[in-house]
Amino acid sequence: AQTVTQSQPEMSVQEAETVTLSCTYDTSENNYYLFWYKQPPSRQMILVIRQEAYKQQNATENRFSVNFQKAAKSFSLKISDSQLGDTAMYFCAFMSDTDKLIFGTGTRLQVFP
Amino acid sequence: AAGVIQSPRHLIKEKRETATLKCYPIPRHDTVYWYQQGPGQDPQFLISFYEKMQSDKGSIPDRFSAQQFSDYHSELNMSSLELGDSALYFCASSPRGRDGNTIYFGEGSWLTVV
Repeated sequence: AQTVTQSQPEMSVQEAETVTLSCTYDTSENNYYLFWYKQPPSRQMILVIRQEAYKQQNATENRFSVNFQKAAKSFSLKISDSQLGDTAMYFCAFMSDTDKLIFGTGTRLQVFP
Repeated sequence: AAGVIQSPRHLIKEKRETATLKCYPIPRHDTVYWYQQGPGQDPQFLISFYEKMQSDKGSIPDRFSAQQFSDYHSELNMSSLELGDSALYFCASSPRGRDGNTIYFGEGSWLTVV
C-alpha cells in the first residue's frame, strides 16, 4: 500500500523569505502522480502544483516549485517570496495511475509579516 | 472555468437522521470522488465512481451509500447519523487519463450532527 509522510507538522516563515516543505512517499508503482494541495482557513482544497513521475524535470508554478527525487521517493515544495496569503495547511498527495489520492497528514504554514 | 459544485454547503442534522449531499463534477470529467475530512485531519477517501460505476471504495461506513447518475452528478447518502459523522465532505472530479489525472475539489459540504 502507498503511504505519504509529511514530517513537519508546523512551519513558519517571514514574508518575502523562502520556505521548503518536505514530503516522502512509499510505493512500488512506477507510474504515478504527486500533488501539493493548499487548504487555507476557508478549508477549500486548492491545487498548488503537480508532478508526473515519468517526467524528470521538476514542476514549477510561479513562486512554487518542487524538488522531485524519484529514487529517494521525496517530493518537497519550495515557496519563494512568501506572502501572507500563503498561510495555510499544505497537503502532499500521491496517486497511482487511475487511482485515488492518498494524502499526507499536512504541514501548517504560517507566514509572518 | 467551471468548478466542482457541491450542495448544500452547510447542513445541520440530529443524531439518527439522514443526510444527502450532492455533487456536480466539472463538465467532461468522468470520475467522481468523495472524501471526508474530520477536524484537524487529512481528507480520507470514501468512494469513487468512473463512468457511473463504482470504481473504488475506502473507509466508507455501511450507513453511507453513494451513486453517480446518468448526468454524472453524484449523491452521498448518510443514514443513522452519529456525532462522529460531523466533518467536511469533499467531492472531487477528474478527467481520468487526461490533464495529468489531476483531481479538482469542490468547496466542500459542512455536516454538523447534533
